[in-house]
Amino acid sequence: EAGVTQFPSHSVIEKGQTVTLRCDPISGHDNLYWYRRVMGKEIKFLLHFVKESKQDESGMPNNRFLAERTGGTYSTLKVQPAELEDSGVYFCASSQLFAGRAYEQYFGPGTRLTVT
Amino acid sequence: AQSVTQLDSQVPVFEEAPVELRCNYSSSVSVYLFWYVQYPNQGLQLLLKYLSGSTLVKGINGFEAEFNKSQTSFHLRKPSVHISDTAEYFCAVSGRNFNKFYFGSGTKLNVKP
Repeated sequence: EAGVTQFPSHSVIEKGQTVTLRCDPISGHDNLYWYRRVMGKEIKFLLHFVKESKQDESGMPNNRFLAERTGGTYSTLKVQPAELEDSGVYFCASSQLFAGRAYEQYFGPGTRLTVT
Repeated sequence: AQSVTQLDSQVPVFEEAPVELRCNYSSSVSVYLFWYVQYPNQGLQLLLKYLSGSTLVKGINGFEAEFNKSQTSFHLRKPSVHISDTAEYFCAVSGRNFNKFYFGSGTKLNVKP
């Protein structure tokens, strides 16, 4: 069974540019999460999708970040325009949803974003 | 809300020595507890988890952790480390709904020959 995949693995962009990160969850996982680790600090929750709906986006830092999950499969996280403080590693995770209950999260390898 | 503290940002240890990585959490509700490991250039891999039952939890690669409710701790231990254990280790908590994990800032374990 394929795990959670993320693309690209690395991205280097200039301040003010736009970047789109992609996450493909494990097949059949209705829950999809985005997390971010900035500058060696803790990994922080960004948002949670249940299928195509945003269940919790309390961790999104500001309106320069837009997450979508059209069709309830893969998800994209767009940063527009990127700022220096957006640099970090963006992790995606997915989990099963069964009888209204979520189960343990499986994490992808992350996308390392560097904004110069 | 929950929070997780990993007091040691780096832990150097010699091969075959025992190691303990500390994790303390704070929460006003019952939580589930996890340890993840990230090897270089890889994603987060689940080492072990505490959901309920025995407070001593055994995980992969010879690691174990003990849940101590009174001290709100979930320290990770291994009696004898290998070079291959060199990685960064993250402690995490979640509510009973498994959503929104809260992570510590990570501990880099450096095993020396």
